[in-house]
Amino acid sequence: ETGVTQTPRHLVMGMTNKKSLKCEQHLGHNAMYWYKQSAKKPLELMFVYNFKEQTENNSVPSRFSPECPNSSHLFLHLHTLQPEDSALYLCASSPVGGASSYEQYFGPGTRLTVT
Amino acid sequence: QKEVEQDPGPLSVPEGAIVSLNCTYSNSAFQYFMWYRQYSRKGPELLMYTYSSGNKEDGRFTAQVDKSSKYISLFIRDSQPSDSATYLCAMSKSGGSNYKLTFGKGTLLTVNP
Repeated sequence: ETGVTQTPRHLVMGMTNKKSLKCEQHLGHNAMYWYKQSAKKPLELMFVYNFKEQTENNSVPSRFSPECPNSSHLFLHLHTLQPEDSALYLCASSPVGGASSYEQYFGPGTRLTVT
Repeated sequence: QKEVEQDPGPLSVPEGAIVSLNCTYSNSAFQYFMWYRQYSRKGPELLMYTYSSGNKEDGRFTAQVDKSSKYISLFIRDSQPSDSATYLCAMSKSGGSNYKLTFGKGTLLTVNP
């Protein structure tokens, strides 16, 4: 295990539902990330948090709402999603600053299906 | 032109073969080059990284970067069935934005016993 856990591992939701994805890291890192992984597409960075502050929003639609209550926990709140939002959502963490920021440790992901 | 190009494969090789995985990129600002390995139903894990040009070896794995050609490679010697996974190249710029990784699509590798 990488020290990054994600729940749930699988989620099926309707377009009118509201759900949340949870990520927790036990590595003492201060940066956390949300990525989207779709079939036949590169990993897409969605959000970045450094020391609980959002430092990056990669033009993500407002139906995705992140929350970072502390450096160990990250949430992604979902509402009124579209079928094209179906994907694997990956959480990652890393140290902040210096060359080690690229050493990102990923969780196993939440497989999301929007019906 | 996409920033990072990676042949998605699939690539199938017999056990013991030498595997060559490659990516090309267009942005000359990239300074850090990484290879991540992703097993089925798992998240990516950092396998190797290289700063700027040159080679780096770790056991059966060798990473090469040729910045003049904007080309990076990962070689796997004596490949094993346990190497079967998707291999993702990733790159970042130096400075404050080095956390922003740009990934290739990944190459699916199968090593047959």
